[in-house]
Amino acid sequence: AQSVTQPDIHITVSEGASLELRCNYSYGATPYLFWYVQSPGQGLQLLLKYFSGDTLVQGIKGFEAEFKRSQSSFNLRKPSVHWSDAAEYFCAPLRDGGSEKLVFGKGTKLTVNP
Amino acid sequence: DAGVIQSPRHEVTEMGQEVTLRCKPISGHNSLFWYRQTMMRGLELLIYFNNNVPIDDSGMPEDRFSAKMPNASFSTLKIQPSEPRDSAVYFCASSGIDNSPLHFGNGTRLTVT
Repeated sequence: AQSVTQPDIHITVSEGASLELRCNYSYGATPYLFWYVQSPGQGLQLLLKYFSGDTLVQGIKGFEAEFKRSQSSFNLRKPSVHWSDAAEYFCAPLRDGGSEKLVFGKGTKLTVNP
Repeated sequence: DAGVIQSPRHEVTEMGQEVTLRCKPISGHNSLFWYRQTMMRGLELLIYFNNNVPIDDSGMPEDRFSAKMPNASFSTLKIQPSEPRDSAVYFCASSGIDNSPLHFGNGTRLTVT
């Protein structure tokens, strides 16, 4: 069965610092991969997605993610964090074909210090 | 585009009562998903529909939970009877063509006392 691991439950960074959130997936074939962000009291919003092609994908709000097949990883990065980036971030793989359901990681909560 | 609309935003009820959560997906989307979010278990997929037909309900916790999608613009998730352990935030999401991203509603926060 497919699964996704977000090893970091909580990360704290200073405003202006760089950020990398980790995501590892377990699946036989290359899945479609997504990163979502959830602000307090809100639903999840799509940040970016990877289906195929260029392994470095750009998303909204200055985020990017790199797919590394050899490491089964899809880490999210941002060069300079803003206070408004404080939220919870979820990685999710989608199985190729067949079922459309997303399996979400446990999430990483990001705190941004001024 | 009004997005996915869920109602109510908050629901407080007593144990044993019936609870009905409602969802209006984005017009034109043909897949609808119900998720539950708790601190302990994170985001769990309960059930999803494709073209109004339930495809996978393996995440529904038990028979007290039921979901329907009578038409393309409306779905309900019902809990009868409710229990305190059902307290969570319930999200509805919809998507269009295969493998397209999910669009989430703002959720219904359910508290069962």
